[in-house]
Amino acid sequence: QKEVEQDPGPLSVPEGAIVSLNCTYSNSAFQYFMWYRQYSRKGPELLMYTYSSGNKEDGRFTAQVDKSSKYISLFIRDSQPSDSATYLCAMSASWTGNQFYFGTGTSLTVIP
Amino acid sequence: EADIYQTPRYLVIGTGKKITLECSQTMGHDKMYWYQQDPGMELHLIHYSYGVNSTEKGDLSSESTVSRIRTEHFPLTLESARPSHTSQYLCAALTDMNTEAFFGQGTRLTVV
Repeated sequence: QKEVEQDPGPLSVPEGAIVSLNCTYSNSAFQYFMWYRQYSRKGPELLMYTYSSGNKEDGRFTAQVDKSSKYISLFIRDSQPSDSATYLCAMSASWTGNQFYFGTGTSLTVIP
Repeated sequence: EADIYQTPRYLVIGTGKKITLECSQTMGHDKMYWYQQDPGMELHLIHYSYGVNSTEKGDLSSESTVSRIRTEHFPLTLESARPSHTSQYLCAALTDMNTEAFFGQGTRLTVV
């Protein structure tokens, strides 16, 4: 079983739609949860970071973590064509953990 | 904000050639990582380092080597390139608390 599962999509939505991106994981030790955005032919860039369970909002983006269900989500409100990218979830276990565990990424296209 | 640079951005080489992919970061982070990324697949850890003179193997390390002589520099070497090495290679520097990974732009390698 993979440490992190993410639906690869592709996902195509009209401009202005609310987008929901999700990941599930199996390791209950994960405490730090991140969402990265990767444009074509670029490296991933950090979008949101949360610690433990709960919600975090930043502009049009909201990250949710449900540790009891081992499920994390990223919501994008009022989606824009510039949001078209691949979104990767990532998580790590502790301050001293040796690596992040990444999902495969979900490809999102926002149609004008 | 960390700055992390990878060169070259694109490389096409012949089978059997020895190549070195360069990665440099300017923020002084001790932890640095090399990942391989194929379309629709999760990032695979190749090598990582906790600091100068520290290198560890990841999942896909058997055909490559790394060195960490200086904090800011973490080159990856393929001794004999093969078509199966065709992929995108991403270098990352992590904060000490594992709260964020900063990625380079990537090197897209094609072995013909």
